[in-house]
Amino acid sequence: AQSVAQPEDQVNVAEGNPLTVKCTYSVSGNPYLFWYVQYPNRGLQFLLKYITGDNLVKGSYGFEAEFNKSQTSFHLKKPSALVSDSALYFCAVRALTPGRRALTFGSGTRLQVQP
Amino acid sequence: NAGVTQTPKFRILKIGQSMTLQCAQDMNHNYMYWYRQDPGMGLKLIYYSVGAGITDKGEVPNGYNVSRSTTEDFPLRLELAAPSQTSVYFCASSAGTGISGANVLTFGAGSRLTVL
Repeated sequence: AQSVAQPEDQVNVAEGNPLTVKCTYSVSGNPYLFWYVQYPNRGLQFLLKYITGDNLVKGSYGFEAEFNKSQTSFHLKKPSALVSDSALYFCAVRALTPGRRALTFGSGTRLQVQP
Repeated sequence: NAGVTQTPKFRILKIGQSMTLQCAQDMNHNYMYWYRQDPGMGLKLIYYSVGAGITDKGEVPNGYNVSRSTTEDFPLRLELAAPSQTSVYFCASSAGTGISGANVLTFGAGSRLTVL
C-alpha cells in the first residue's frame, strides 16, 4: 500500500519569509511524488513533480521541493512567501510499479501568509 | 480550452435518491479518475479508468458506479444516496502514467453534493 502524511493541518508565515510545507510518504520501491495546490472553490492544480534525477525540483510560482530518499520526505519550499500563496496544498505519491495507476493524496496543509 | 468539465456544480439529494455526476474532458486523455474530498481527509479515489470500456475500483467505491463508453466522458452514478456521500467530488484526467505523462492530473472544478 502507498500512503502520504502531511503532519501539519495549517502553516502560518509572514509575507516575505521562507515557507516549508512538510510531506512524508510510504511506497514499495521508487516513488513518483507530486505537489498540487487548491484555491477556494477550485479544483487542484499541479505545482511540481519528482520522477527521477536531481533531488531538488523546481515548479510553478517559485515553489520547489526536495526529495530525500533516506527520510522518505518531499517537503515543499519557497524562499519568499506571498499573500497570494495562501491556499490548500496536497502532496501525492505513486509507486513506479505497474498496476497501481492512481495517485494517493495526503490530507492537505492549509498555508496562510499574513501581510 | 475547456479542460475537464463537471456538472452539476451543486446538488442537494434526499436519502435514497439517485443521480449522475457528469465529467467530460477535451484533451484526449486516456486516464480519468473520480475522487471525493471530505474536510481534513484529503482526496480519496472512488473509481478510475485507463481507457474507453475499462474501469477499476479505487479506495472507496461502495455506493458508486461508473462507465466509460467514450474517451471524453466518465460519469459517476450514485445509487440510493446516503448522508455519508455528502462530499465534494472531483473528476480528473491525465495523458498517461509513463514517465513523460507521469500522472500530471488536470482537475475539474468540483461538484458539491449534499445528501439530507
